[in-house]
Amino acid sequence: RKEVEQDPGPFNVPEGATVAFNCTYSNSASQSFFWYRQDCRKEPKLLMSVYSSGNEDGRFTAQLNRASQYISLLIRDSKLSDSATYLCVVSRRNQGGKLIFGQGTELSVKP
Amino acid sequence: EPEVTQTPSHQVTQMGQEVILRCVPISNHLYFYWYRQILGQKVEFLVSFYNNEISEKSEIFDDQFSVERPDGSNFTLKIRSTKLEDSAMYFCASSRAGPIEAFFGQGTRLTVV
Repeated sequence: RKEVEQDPGPFNVPEGATVAFNCTYSNSASQSFFWYRQDCRKEPKLLMSVYSSGNEDGRFTAQLNRASQYISLLIRDSKLSDSATYLCVVSRRNQGGKLIFGQGTELSVKP
Repeated sequence: EPEVTQTPSHQVTQMGQEVILRCVPISNHLYFYWYRQILGQKVEFLVSFYNNEISEKSEIFDDQFSVERPDGSNFTLKIRSTKLEDSAMYFCASSRAGPIEAFFGQGTRLTVV
């Protein structure tokens, strides 16, 4: 079983749509959680950290459910510039900061 | 805004040759990492480095690979005797502390022919 699993995608949505990304992780020792975005052939860029209480940054909302080992990202009012691959990322305690990446879910926002 | 910089952006090498990929992490960061991404696949962890030593490495990071921080700013990944399957994008990253947000460089695309 993969340590971090995401919706396979791709998601094709019109501008202005709300889109939700789901992610599950298999190791209960996972400690920190993030969403990164990656544009084609570019580096991953941190979108937001995910906290137990949930957190919001403008149009982006992240949720964490430790009991279900589930992470989500919601994008409201999607823009053309949101088109990218969204990466769910976790790290565990005492692993030197190692990040474990999901396969990513590709989003394409159309006019 | 401070950023992680990597050189070169693209390296082509013959199978069996040694390559050195270079990175300048963000200046006040203490943890340094190398990741790789084979085309079409997920980002994979190679190694983390803290306090001048390796703190964690993956099974990919075998004797073919080594890392070094030769001075106060550079962080290098050496790949000895490259293989065709080493062709990938190699990303350097750094963070202020271990399990918090890491920032990635723009990557070095390594092509082994």
